Amino acid sequence: DQQVKQNSPSLSVQEGRISILNCDYTNSMFDYFLWYKKYPAEGPTFLISISSIKDKNEDGRFTVFLNKSAKHLSLHIVPSQPGDSAVYFCAARNTGNQFYFGTGTSLTVIP
Amino acid sequence: DAMVIQNPRYQVTQFGKPVTLSCSQTLNHNVMYWYQQKSSQAPKLLFHYYDKDFNNEADTPDNFQSRRPNTSFCFLDIRSPGLGDAAIYLCATSRDTLAGASTDTQYFGPGTRLTVL
Repeated sequence: DQQVKQNSPSLSVQEGRISILNCDYTNSMFDYFLWYKKYPAEGPTFLISISSIKDKNEDGRFTVFLNKSAKHLSLHIVPSQPGDSAVYFCAARNTGNQFYFGTGTSLTVIP
Repeated sequence: DAMVIQNPRYQVTQFGKPVTLSCSQTLNHNVMYWYQQKSSQAPKLLFHYYDKDFNNEADTPDNFQSRRPNTSFCFLDIRSPGLGDAAIYLCATSRDTLAGASTDTQYFGPGTRLTVL
């Protein structure tokens, strides 16, 4: 049973525009959410996170929004750059410190 | 500079032949995790160690075992690999498990791609 879902397997965006990646979860006990970026042949690398007590966290071009009532989070990248092209994984942590991942969204930023 | 190292990067084994994947870390983190990622699927947590305490996921098959002889090293043993065990195996670490108090992230190794013939 997939507790974290990324329903869009791929997304293409023009350079300079905004990229919005979405993630839904089912477990209301998740207390911490993360986004990871993954290049081919490498492990995922941490990008940005948000605690369940917040609804927004911003780091440079990256902003994560959390809507707890909808059990939904999103990652906004603005402006998008070609180097942002990668697979983005959403992950959620429960109170047992177990992390659950979505299936990933492959982002392509077109120059 | 490598922080989480996985060896080998590519492993080929035969059906039913035991195989061991290794992971080491230079971060001195308390927690080490093993994930299985099959093609186009989410990384799936198999188990994790908090120090020496082993925490198995309920749906992890008995075929998968793990050892953590010290803080730096963690091994994944697949006792009798089947064709369905072909996947990328990701090792990750995090500093602690103070869920709710910690905003720590996980640091991943590059993964080991296992092929079962």
